[in-house]
Amino acid sequence: GQNIDQPTEMTATEGAIVQINCTYQTSGFNGLFWYQQHAGEAPTFLSYNVLDGLEEKGRFSSFLSRSKGYSYLLLKELQMKDSASYLCAVSPQYNFNKFYFGSGTKLNVKP
Amino acid sequence: DSGVTQTPKHLITATGQRVTLRCSPRSGDLSVYWYQQSLDQGLQFLIQYYNGEERAKGNILERFSAQQFPDLHSELNLSSLELGDSALYFCASSPSGTSGGYEQYFGPGTRLTVT
Repeated sequence: GQNIDQPTEMTATEGAIVQINCTYQTSGFNGLFWYQQHAGEAPTFLSYNVLDGLEEKGRFSSFLSRSKGYSYLLLKELQMKDSASYLCAVSPQYNFNKFYFGSGTKLNVKP
Repeated sequence: DSGVTQTPKHLITATGQRVTLRCSPRSGDLSVYWYQQSLDQGLQFLIQYYNGEERAKGNILERFSAQQFPDLHSELNLSSLELGDSALYFCASSPSGTSGGYEQYFGPGTRLTVT
């Protein structure tokens, strides 16, 4: 089966750094995606990792360790608008797009 | 605005009824994905179509069906509706038929309420 775990909720302070973890167990692996979803809105793409290592994109970075089945999303210089849910998604097989999403981590940014 | 459109935005119907949700992908995208998001289950992948053909199936109930038409728009049909089908239904599109590195662009969703 497919199993993707993320913390349910996190709280951080404006201007700080926060790390949101995601662990997965899937049959095969074709990549890991992070999406941001504000309440009542559609998810929007943040990052994609398929090889081990860190991918940096502005204030957001995403890390992957395939051997450990582990990823994290790092958000720097937190802003109030970063308050949202962050969804980790795994594509378990190439050519078959069965995406599996974690339940999401709700991030609350406080002043 | 992702470029993906979904209609209707809201839908309220009774148990046992049948509804159709519609999705138009971004211009040029050949793949359409359908997802269900409920409060207790997160985002669940239902089905994917690529250029008119079914490519992948997720946790889609037998009461649900989908198709993608020659103009690439897609419809998700939900029948014999139950209270538990109340959820937000998202459509997403991507240019590729495979998942390799291509982000999905999500539409605004259709909120279905079954009473």
